[in-house]
Amino acid sequence: GAVVSQHPSRVICKSGTSVKIECRSLDFQATTMFWYRQFPKQSLMLMATSNEGSKATYEQGVEKDKFLINHASLTLSTLTVTSAHPEDSSFYICSARGVSGVSYNEQFFGPGTRLTVL
Amino acid sequence: GENVEQHPSTLSVQEGDSAVIKCTYSDSASNYFPWYKQELGKRPQLIIDIRSNVGEKKDQRIAVTLNKTAKHFSLHITETQPEDSAVYFCAARGPNTGNQFYFGTGTSLTVIP
Repeated sequence: GAVVSQHPSRVICKSGTSVKIECRSLDFQATTMFWYRQFPKQSLMLMATSNEGSKATYEQGVEKDKFLINHASLTLSTLTVTSAHPEDSSFYICSARGVSGVSYNEQFFGPGTRLTVL
Repeated sequence: GENVEQHPSTLSVQEGDSAVIKCTYSDSASNYFPWYKQELGKRPQLIIDIRSNVGEKKDQRIAVTLNKTAKHFSLHITETQPEDSAVYFCAARGPNTGNQFYFGTGTSLTVIP
């Protein structure tokens, strides 16, 4: 089946630093990748939609200058949290939708990245 | 845009009993409704989905029903087992949502042995 990986799985950083999270579709090409944020015991909050080769579309209230998204290839999207602060601590999950076939109709989730900002 | 509501937020059942989780959606054009199971600290996993041209779909102990007129769909888990304990999310997608899934708020299911 379609597999999505995410790296790193956990990251702890100091306030003011930037953190990059990678999302990769391992066995299919992903035209669209989604970035979600999830707080404890809460639902998935869509942050942005990224399409390969074009600018990401951000949801209302999400600062695009703080959460930089790059979808440089059909198998890789990155989320960079710039100048991270403790309130950015959260579980970040990506998902990918494929070009065709089964992976086109479904979203496949990465395992998530736990970000802790001290 | 689409708005998906999910109830209940928490649900406890005795092992062997059935569990039902309900979702409503607002956009009548939405045509794809997946259900995801998320265990603590792990990724959401698709467990079953239904498209708008079907009223019911079943996969072993899991079934989903869809009422397009009322714009609601439900997840049914029969003969629940402790390993069914997790958070379950419904979602909706359609031509008006682009590629996006709109997720419900989640239901934390606990199956008591």
